[in-house]
Amino acid sequence: NAGVMQNPRHLVRRRGQEARLRCSPMKGHSHVYWYRQLPEEGLKFMVYLQKENIIDESGMPKERFSAEFPKEGPSILRIQQVVRGDSAAYFCASSRDSLINSGNTIYFGEGSWLTVV
Amino acid sequence: SQQGEEDPQALSIQEGENATMNCSYKTSINNLQWYRQNSGRGLVHLILIRSNEREKHSGRLRVTLDTSKKSSSLLITASRAADTASYFCATLSESGAGSYQLTFGKGTKLSVIP
Repeated sequence: NAGVMQNPRHLVRRRGQEARLRCSPMKGHSHVYWYRQLPEEGLKFMVYLQKENIIDESGMPKERFSAEFPKEGPSILRIQQVVRGDSAAYFCASSRDSLINSGNTIYFGEGSWLTVV
Repeated sequence: SQQGEEDPQALSIQEGENATMNCSYKTSINNLQWYRQNSGRGLVHLILIRSNEREKHSGRLRVTLDTSKKSSSLLITASRAADTASYFCATLSESGAGSYQLTFGKGTKLSVIP
């Protein structure tokens, strides 16, 4: 049973380009979470999605960032017109149920490291 | 806003010693979890303690929770070089959007010297 798969693991983009990060949740998991981690910092919540729906996007910047989790295929975190400050590790996690029902059954991917030059 | 705050920020100990990390938080929580992250890797769940529990054990890990002080501690006994990693506490609490959110602290970087 494969874990949470993220790709690419490393991505370099020039300022102004677009970055697309993909996350395939664990098999049977329909809840996906995106977090951002700056160097030497903890993870900051960005968005919570459940198949085809955004449940909570309170941590997502209002501009340039968007996320989706279509009926088929991976969840996508899209960053348009990237700036240097977007350089960070982006982690995806998934759970079978909502967090309040899942207890400790939330699993993280290995992260996608975005560098904006 | 930052919920869990760990201290110390960095901890260096000899192999075989115990390591204690603390975490404080601000709002009411449903549970508190500890995670481990090796450099350049994802997070691995270690242990969860519910808000109505005071202490929990798992192997060499011992977690305490004091909801009156809004604090938790993680004790790793008989540390090994392989325990070298960053450790994060995360609190599960209701978000303003009507769902539950896992909020992480900045972490404690533990170095275990062989």
